[in-house]
Amino acid sequence: SQQGEEDPQALSIQEGENATMNCSYKTSINNLQWYRQNSGRGLVHLILIRSNEREKHSGRLRVTLDTSKKSSSLLITASRAADTASYFCATGSNDYKLSFGAGTTVTVRA
Amino acid sequence: DTAVSQTPKYLVTQMGNDKSIKCEQNLGHDTMYWYKQDSKKFLKIMFSYNNKELIINETVPNRFSPKSPDKAHLNLHINSLELGDSAVYFCASSPSGEPGELFFGEGSRLTVL
Repeated sequence: SQQGEEDPQALSIQEGENATMNCSYKTSINNLQWYRQNSGRGLVHLILIRSNEREKHSGRLRVTLDTSKKSSSLLITASRAADTASYFCATGSNDYKLSFGAGTTVTVRA
Repeated sequence: DTAVSQTPKYLVTQMGNDKSIKCEQNLGHDTMYWYKQDSKKFLKIMFSYNNKELIINETVPNRFSPKSPDKAHLNLHINSLELGDSAVYFCASSPSGEPGELFFGEGSRLTVL
């Protein structure tokens, strides 16, 4: 069953702007991960945040996790045309599964 | 060197046929997965093997049968293909059964006519 749900479904921004997308999930987790998928390609891992962490940074990416609200956000700062892609959150639990949502499609306009 | 490779990348076939998709990883990982991505980009896990042992078997029609001859390979065989099987199938691997970072292949787009 689907665990993570991303919001919004689609996002269009100007190059240089920040992009924020959110993920909500239903059950308890061990970790939450974000992936990027360029059109026609496989998913690429971006960042993993554990359930006991609240915030994590990687380059222009900032991820927050609020386990009390069962939600996470991904912020991409100073976006570039190359950031155009679909972004997925995925939740890892004790059942060995990594469950994905349907993603947020981000378009960065030059 | 491709870490997780799938073949074929594209597969077009008629309803009722049987087809296979192969996956190989050269990362030395213990765990491999098959995911199905539908036309709305929703990714659903199908199967997972850890060291050749089946550990995840989601509610998938039994027309789908995974096979892991060794921990570097996980193949997916589909019998009696149906229109609804059209999707992109992704193979992935991870170092252990715990759901850490997954490494994905490029996907195999299956179109059933």
